[in-house]
Amino acid sequence: DTAVSQTPKYLVTQMGNDKSIKCEQNLGHDTMYWYKQDSKKFLKIMFSYNNKELIINETVPNRFSPKSPDKAHLNLHINSLELGDSAVYFCASSQGGWATDTQYFGPGTRLTVL
Amino acid sequence: QQQVKQSPQSLIVQKGGISIINCAYENTAFDYFPWYQQFPGKGPALLIAIRPDVSEKKEGRFTISFNKSAKQFSLHIMDSQPGDSATYFCAASSGGTSYGKLTFGQGTILTVHP
Repeated sequence: DTAVSQTPKYLVTQMGNDKSIKCEQNLGHDTMYWYKQDSKKFLKIMFSYNNKELIINETVPNRFSPKSPDKAHLNLHINSLELGDSAVYFCASSQGGWATDTQYFGPGTRLTVL
Repeated sequence: QQQVKQSPQSLIVQKGGISIINCAYENTAFDYFPWYQQFPGKGPALLIAIRPDVSEKKEGRFTISFNKSAKQFSLHIMDSQPGDSATYFCAASSGGTSYGKLTFGQGTILTVHP
């Protein structure tokens, strides 16, 4: 049973396109996150939702819009894709929103913008 | 601004040897320090974590050493095995205010030769 799943695993698209990445967790967790891992493997948080409410919003271009239809899903929509958006995007979830709550990561979505 | 500095970037160790990865932080409000392990093509997974009220925490072959005055902490992997080959990330957060926001180090690619 996959705890945190993401689709698609790979995404190749042209500059200027709009794309979405979906994330689902079956752990019953209240909090979900999106992280970006760049080509140097640096991991940085983008967003966090707790019970469908946005609680962390880092300095991310407003071309990135997270949407949480329910607490088990957190999707990431990206408008007007740019070359610099190429990265691996990880979804994660945790029981609560506290820093000491273990975060469980999905397998990642590798986005390549041509 | 990089608030958690990790070194070395890469590490090669012989089987049975000790792997040591170091991290230093700047923000004195940080009070939770987890280490994550990431295998190629997978998402990071929590390995071990420490709070600053203890100077050392051991789980099997993995030990975190913490020096609050120096604002440094390190991961020691005893009897390193080829299966430990992965990228290791230290992280830090301030539990009371950061709602699970982890600040990650740059990562260390560990290779354990048989």
